[in-house]
Formats: sequence, structure tokens, C-alpha cells
Amino acid sequence: NAGVTQTPKFQVLKTGQSMTLQCAQDMNHEYMSWYRQDPGMGLRLIHYSVGAGITDQGEVPNGYNVSRSTTEDFPLRLLSAAPSQTSVYFCASSLRKAGWTQYFGPGTRLLVL
Amino acid sequence: KNEVEQSPQNLTAQEGEFITINCSYSVGISALHWLQQHPGGGIVSLFMLSSGKKKHGRLIATINIQEKHSSLHITASHPRDSAVYICAGGGGATNKLIFGTGTLLAVQP
Repeated sequence: NAGVTQTPKFQVLKTGQSMTLQCAQDMNHEYMSWYRQDPGMGLRLIHYSVGAGITDQGEVPNGYNVSRSTTEDFPLRLLSAAPSQTSVYFCASSLRKAGWTQYFGPGTRLLVL
Repeated sequence: KNEVEQSPQNLTAQEGEFITINCSYSVGISALHWLQQHPGGGIVSLFMLSSGKKKHGRLIATINIQEKHSSLHITASHPRDSAVYICAGGGGATNKLIFGTGTLLAVQP
């Protein structure tokens, strides 16, 4: 199993550009989530999904969209990038019957100029 | 509002020392996760607790539900234990997590 994969590892954007951060898992986990990690702050939930076709907002959803067309994939779209979205983004997945153990992707470091 | 607070924020220890990191959480949290993040690295789940105590190698995690408090202990610490340790509270049908800000641990040889 590859676990949770994320692409790209690093991205530089200009203000106003859009892009999609990819996340995929091959463990058949129903729950997937996106977090951002900023210095001095804990990880914060952006969006999450409890299964294909079902998504919901987390703590900091503004400026981001998600979709979950398949169990495996959970892309995060930045609609119009802003410098405040400079951060490290982590995707995670988990399975309720496996005790909600979290599996994290390696992260995407995003710089918005 | 659900909150998770960790202490200390920074911890320096000598190799071999016994280390304790604490986490307090508010109502609404029924499960507590401990995670490890090495510098520049990814995040790894260490434990998920809803009651009692769990042990894996030199790591021990405990939770006191009445006091809403959890601790992560590292016995016989080693420089490779140097990392950020994060606690996160969750539970419920979706297990949405609320994270502490992390404890930066440095174990010196």
C-alpha cells in the first residue's frame, strides 16, 4: 500500500492564481480531511469528507473547495490564491472501524507571492 | 468551544531521561490522539485513547477522562525521539480533530 499520497510537494503561486492540491489513499478509508499547518498554531481543519459524495467544512474553509467523487481521491482547490494561504497542507485519512487512527500524507508546502 | 492545550511548549532533555508531555482538553472530546512530527517530516500517529493506558515500545500514553487530561511518556529517551509531539482531541461520528500547538522535544546526547 502507498498509504496517503499528496502532490505536489512544493508549489509557488502568484496572488490570484488557482490550483489543485491532490490527495489519494489506497486503504479504503471512508474519512478524509485537509489541514493546514502554520507556525505557532496547531493543525487546523479546512474541509473533510465522511465518504464519497459527502463533504463538509472545517474550521478554516474560506478560499478552498473540495470534492469527493471517489473513495480514493480528495482534491483541495484554491480558488484565488492569497498570501494568507501560504502554509503547509496535510491530507489525512482514517477508518472508523480501525479506531480512527490517522494516516497523514507527506504534506504540500505552498508559497503564495 | 472545544479546546486542546499542551504543555510544555518546548522541552530539552538529556539522553536517558524520562519525559512527560501533558495535554488538557475541554468537554465534547471523547478520544485523544498523540502524533509525532519530525523536523521537515510528515506526521505519524502514535496512539488513540478513549480510556486507560496504551504502551508501544518506550512510549506510554495515559488518559484520565474525569480530569480531561492525557499524558505522553517517553522512557529512556534517545536523540532520535527529538520531534514535535502533538495531541489532538476528537470523537463522535466524524472524529473531527482539534489540535494542540505541539511540544518541541530535543533530546541531547
